[in-house]
Amino acid sequence: KQEVTQIPAALSVPEGENLVLNCSFTDSAIYNLQWFRQDPGKGLTSLLLIQSSQREQTSGRLNASLDKSSGRSTLYIAASQPGDSATYLCAVFGNAGNMLTFGGGTRLMVKP
Amino acid sequence: DVKVTQSSRYLVKRTGEKVFLECVQDMDHENMFWYRQDPGLGLRLIYFSYDVKMKEKGDIPEGYSVSREKKERFSLILESASTNQTSMYLCASSLAGALTEAFFGQGTRLTVV
Repeated sequence: KQEVTQIPAALSVPEGENLVLNCSFTDSAIYNLQWFRQDPGKGLTSLLLIQSSQREQTSGRLNASLDKSSGRSTLYIAASQPGDSATYLCAVFGNAGNMLTFGGGTRLMVKP
Repeated sequence: DVKVTQSSRYLVKRTGEKVFLECVQDMDHENMFWYRQDPGLGLRLIYFSYDVKMKEKGDIPEGYSVSREKKERFSLILESASTNQTSMYLCASSLAGALTEAFFGQGTRLTVV
């Protein structure tokens, strides 16, 4: 069964720092990996989708990489801002079932 | 933009009541999903549907059922609500196949008293 782990569980940084969030998964047989943002009490907002054949995707200050063979993905946030404060979730779509499996999330706080 | 709309943001129901959570998407997506999210347990899949009238059990289907009579609508039903079903419920949709992005609704915070 696929397991997805995110480290760290929580992170607090001063504004302006560049930071990296980590996601690892146990079964490398995946179709894609998706990063989401969740604000308190709200739904999930899709940030980036990486297909299994891709190595990275970029959107603005966000860059996500994927190393399928080692079962790892990172989300890089450049020049962090207080508005980036949220929980970030990664999810993999595995080919052993038609569903997304989520990590536990990283709760990010960016201090002004 | 894809829009996934859940019928209620907050809901309070009594133990034993039958509860309906509705989800509608406007992008003609084949796949629809229901998750629940609990502190320390993350998001867990309850049911998903890949076509009208089709459904598949997820990781935690016990105590729940679903209905998909129309492509755009996916309903989650709590046959007899219990306090351990107090949770945040999230609906999602995506196109058919495994290479597509999933989009989520705003969530329904259900409290069973």
